[in-house]
Amino acid sequence: GQQLNQSPQSMFIQEGEDVSMNCTSSSIFNTWLWYKQDPGEGPVLLIALYKAGELTSNGRLTAQFGITRKDSFLNISASIPSDVGIYFCAGPPGAQKLVFGQGTRLTINP
Amino acid sequence: DAGITQSPRHKVTETGTPVTLRCHQTENHRYMYWYRQDPGHGLRLIHYSYGVKDTDKGEVSDGYSVSRSKTEDFLLTLESATSSQTSVYFCATEAGPTDTQYFGPGTRLTVL
Repeated sequence: GQQLNQSPQSMFIQEGEDVSMNCTSSSIFNTWLWYKQDPGEGPVLLIALYKAGELTSNGRLTAQFGITRKDSFLNISASIPSDVGIYFCAGPPGAQKLVFGQGTRLTINP
Repeated sequence: DAGITQSPRHKVTETGTPVTLRCHQTENHRYMYWYRQDPGHGLRLIHYSYGVKDTDKGEVSDGYSVSRSKTEDFLLTLESATSSQTSVYFCATEAGPTDTQYFGPGTRLTVL
């Protein structure tokens, strides 16, 4: 079945630093999703990407749909303490079988 | 927030006992999902439903069954719990096949 490889698995950064993570798929996706999970909560959708090459921002978050349609990237600029959590890539939606990456756990030192 | 609640939020049980987890939604979404979350695996789909009494298997369905007798409720049953089913279980709903999935708060299940 489809597999998503997400990296890095964990990140330890200082407050104010920028963050980059990526996700690669074994097959072509038509849509990429990025979710964030706060401790003790369920995942919440951050950004959805619908077109190869698309670059979409949501505040300090920017995500890109790779040209090959097999990868996606998420960047967080000027990290703050509330950015702590686990970030998941996922795709493709609408197939009733959404596939998730393993997650990137972000820890921020103040 | 799609008005999704899960019960119980925490449960400790013994190997071999039956367990039922409940997901309740107030948004009248057609699609409902059960996932389990384990370290290093992200979220993996157990079963999903595309309407009342319509369900199908996901990636890790062995040892689990589901039922959906009403739009708002989706039950996940472990007929005979095993230690490998210790996990955090999330329910999700989706209005239509191209919409966003909304997740519940999760149920932490420990099987001793």
